[in-house]
Amino acid sequence: GQQLNQSPQSMFIQEGEDVSMNCTSSSIFNTWLWYKQDPGEGPVLLIALYKAGELTSNGRLTAQFGITRKDSFLNISASIPSDVGIYFCAGRKRDSNYQLIWGAGTKLIIKP
Amino acid sequence: AAGVIQSPRHLIKEKRETATLKCYPIPRHDTVYWYQQGPGQDPQFLISFYEKMQSDKGSIPDRFSAQQFSDYHSELNMSSLELGDSALYFCASSPRTPTYGYTFGSGTRLTVV
Repeated sequence: GQQLNQSPQSMFIQEGEDVSMNCTSSSIFNTWLWYKQDPGEGPVLLIALYKAGELTSNGRLTAQFGITRKDSFLNISASIPSDVGIYFCAGRKRDSNYQLIWGAGTKLIIKP
Repeated sequence: AAGVIQSPRHLIKEKRETATLKCYPIPRHDTVYWYQQGPGQDPQFLISFYEKMQSDKGSIPDRFSAQQFSDYHSELNMSSLELGDSALYFCASSPRTPTYGYTFGSGTRLTVV
């Protein structure tokens, strides 16, 4: 079953709006990664987080590693049409042999 | 910069046929991961290799096998294909300690008819 709960499942927003999505788990993670996937393409890494409480930005994107190590959020400010796609969180537990556990994805749709 | 190269990009096979997918990691990446992604699904981990040895195994069917070669490229062999095997198959590579996450290839879209 899904070990990471990612929400929301989809978002319809206006261009220029801010976006927020998050992932939670009952397990502790050592690494949180946020990926974006365009249709028919492989996921592309947006932000990687390695320490509890860490807040990292990449342009208009900001992500945080939760203090409890069980959650992470991703914010996108002033959304633009090319932000459309599916955003996945992925986490790695200690002693996992570097295997990633994935959220179900958040589909971002921008209303014209 | 060089990325992860997967071939072929698209593949159509009939039921019960075999298929071989290839993955060429980023230079100096010694770890390769294979994922399967069904329509509307998140990627499901199949198997990984480090230094040519299998390092972890996920939900890979017994009909599938994989290996990593001396040049670090990897091949996923799929036999007795079923309709349900139709999916996007991604390969990702990283150094042994993936400090900056994994880099994914563009995937192989397998369609079984």
